[in-house]
Amino acid sequence: SQQGEEDPQALSIQEGENATMNCSYKTSINNLQWYRQNSGRGLVHLILIRSNEREKHSGRLRVTLDTSKKSSSLLITASRAADTASYFCATDGGNTPLVFGKGTRLSVIA
Amino acid sequence: AAGVIQSPRHLIKEKRETATLKCYPIPRHDTVYWYQQGPGQDPQFLISFYEKMQSDKGSIPDRFSAQQFSDYHSELNMSSLELGDSALYFCASSLGLVGDSNYGYTFGSGTRLTVV
Repeated sequence: SQQGEEDPQALSIQEGENATMNCSYKTSINNLQWYRQNSGRGLVHLILIRSNEREKHSGRLRVTLDTSKKSSSLLITASRAADTASYFCATDGGNTPLVFGKGTRLSVIA
Repeated sequence: AAGVIQSPRHLIKEKRETATLKCYPIPRHDTVYWYQQGPGQDPQFLISFYEKMQSDKGSIPDRFSAQQFSDYHSELNMSSLELGDSALYFCASSLGLVGDSNYGYTFGSGTRLTVV
């Protein structure tokens, strides 16, 4: 399967610090997406990076994609307590539904 | 803007009962996906529909069935419920089979099913 695997599984940082989460996958992809989920709530789409892109920014988010290593990273800069959530990467193979990774639980301590 | 609407938000059922979950996609979206997320787990794909036809099938048990209606809303029917079916069930919609290439899928808030 092309399931994304994320690390770390859990991350705890102080407010104002940067948080980096990584995702690896197994097969070729059309694009890779990052989602955020507050505890027990819905999935919110954060950012999408296509297979021919290497880096993308959106506000305090920075995503990189290395298709040769089949990996992606999500960087949240100047984190806030409100960023506390689980973050999932999901891969889009082009003609198959999204496959989600295990997720990283981020805790930002005020 | 209208989002993906799921109902009910919460549902409690006893073992061996049946449950029906509903999903109303974003207007003009023709593709619906169902995902199951167990406690502390990642979302697992169950089934999807495009233009009212099943387009893909994942790890959906035989006890579950789903369909997409003429107004593009979808229903997930779950029979002979088991304790292990307790989970958050998400519906997502998109325009076209492979999702919107710029915006990803749009997920609903989910239905929390508890089987007791």
